[in-house]
Amino acid sequence: DAGVIQSPRHEVTEMGQEVTLRCKPISGHNSLFWYRQTMMRGLELLIYFNNNVPIDDSGMPEDRFSAKMPNASFSTLKIQPSEPRDSAVYFCASRLEQDFEAFFGQGTRLTVV
Amino acid sequence: DQQVKQNSPSLSVQEGRISILNCDYTNSMFDYFLWYKKYPAEGPTFLISISSIKDKNEDGRFTVFLNKSAKHLSLHIVPSQPGDSAVYFCAASARNTDKLIFGTGTRLQVFP
Repeated sequence: DAGVIQSPRHEVTEMGQEVTLRCKPISGHNSLFWYRQTMMRGLELLIYFNNNVPIDDSGMPEDRFSAKMPNASFSTLKIQPSEPRDSAVYFCASRLEQDFEAFFGQGTRLTVV
Repeated sequence: DQQVKQNSPSLSVQEGRISILNCDYTNSMFDYFLWYKKYPAEGPTFLISISSIKDKNEDGRFTVFLNKSAKHLSLHIVPSQPGDSAVYFCAASARNTDKLIFGTGTRLQVFP
């Protein structure tokens, strides 16, 4: 398996634009996590899914953020409208429900100017 | 509310010496703990874990210690090598939820 695949690796956008980050989890994994890495908060959990269903989105910072998982092999994190303070590295991770170890993608570095 | 805390943002250690990274947690429901290692421009990778029924787990040069009464765990690396230079994240999970909560990370630098 190629591991967790995220796209794009880098995204530069202007303030106010819509941004969509994509994630393909490891085949067979049924839990998916979206994290944001910042200096102040480290790896901050935004939302996680179990069997494609959002279980806890309490970490989503504002209504500007939304996430979907239409099927077991694809998830998106959308920011609309984007703001400069959203600039960070966003990671997607997946794992088997009965395991504790999660596998991470390489991340998307988002810059909002 | 930061449920998992790593109070030392950075640590510098000489090659061959022991590196000790610390982590504290507040939620007594956590029953499984993990350490991840992260190199620049890469995603975090799993390093070692420990269940709350144990107080120590060892894997080669890496040992994790858990003190449940103090809600504290630590990662020991001995001997430290330059290739260990990375950011180390502590994470915690509870069996009754799927949440995996990470700390703020500690940047370890191992110098020759």
